[in-house]
Amino acid sequence: GENVEQHPSTLSVQEGDSAVIKCTYSDSASNYFPWYKQELGKRPQLIIDIRSNVGEKKDQRIAVTLNKTAKHFSLHITETQPEDSAVYFCAATSGINDMRFGAGTRLTVKP
Amino acid sequence: NAGVTQTPKFRILKIGQSMTLQCTQDMNHNYMYWYRQDPGMGLKLIYYSVGAGITDKGEVPNGYNVSRSTTEDFPLRLELAAPSQTSVYFCASSFGLAGPGDEQFFGPGTRLTVL
Repeated sequence: GENVEQHPSTLSVQEGDSAVIKCTYSDSASNYFPWYKQELGKRPQLIIDIRSNVGEKKDQRIAVTLNKTAKHFSLHITETQPEDSAVYFCAATSGINDMRFGAGTRLTVKP
Repeated sequence: NAGVTQTPKFRILKIGQSMTLQCTQDMNHNYMYWYRQDPGMGLKLIYYSVGAGITDKGEVPNGYNVSRSTTEDFPLRLELAAPSQTSVYFCASSFGLAGPGDEQFFGPGTRLTVL
C-alpha cells in the first residue's frame, strides 16, 4: 500500500516569508495529491490538490508541485500571514481505500 | 445546507463499552468515509461507502463496524471499546470518488476517550 512521509513536522516563519512543506510517496500508481489545512480543534479543509498529469498548480498564494519521477510533491505558501498558522497534511491516493495521509506539519507564522 | 454533521462532539467510554458515532450529510453525496486522527498524526481511513447498502474496509477497520441504510447517514459502531481507540473521529463525504473535482467535505469531528 501507499506510504506518505511529510517534512518538516514543525515550521516557523516570519510573516511575509515563504513556507515549503514536502511529501514523498511510495506507490507509483498514486494519481491524486490533495493538501489539507487543519486549524486547532477544527476539521480538515482542502486547500489545493493536483493530479498526476500536472506538474504544478497555483491558487493565489499557494502552489503545489509534483515530481512523479522522484515521487515527491510540495506545498508552497508565499507572503505568509498569521492566519496561515495551522497544521497542513498532504495525502496521496490511487483510489478510495488507499488514501494515505502524511503525519502533518505544524506551521507557525510569527507577526 | 448543514454539510456533514457528527454527534456527539465528545464522549468518554469505559473499556468494554459500546457506542455509535453518528454522521449525516445533506449534500446528496454518494461516497462517505470514516477516519480516525491520533494525536500528532494524519488521518487513517477506517471504513468507506460508495452508496446506500455498500460498505468496505479501509486501512484500520478492526474494532469497528458501519452501515449505510440511506444516502444521508453513515454511523460508525464501536464494540468493546479499548484504550487504543482513543482518537478524534472524522466523517467525510464526496459526490464522487475523492479526487480532482470531488472534494471530500469533513464533519466537525468526535473526540473519543476510552478509559
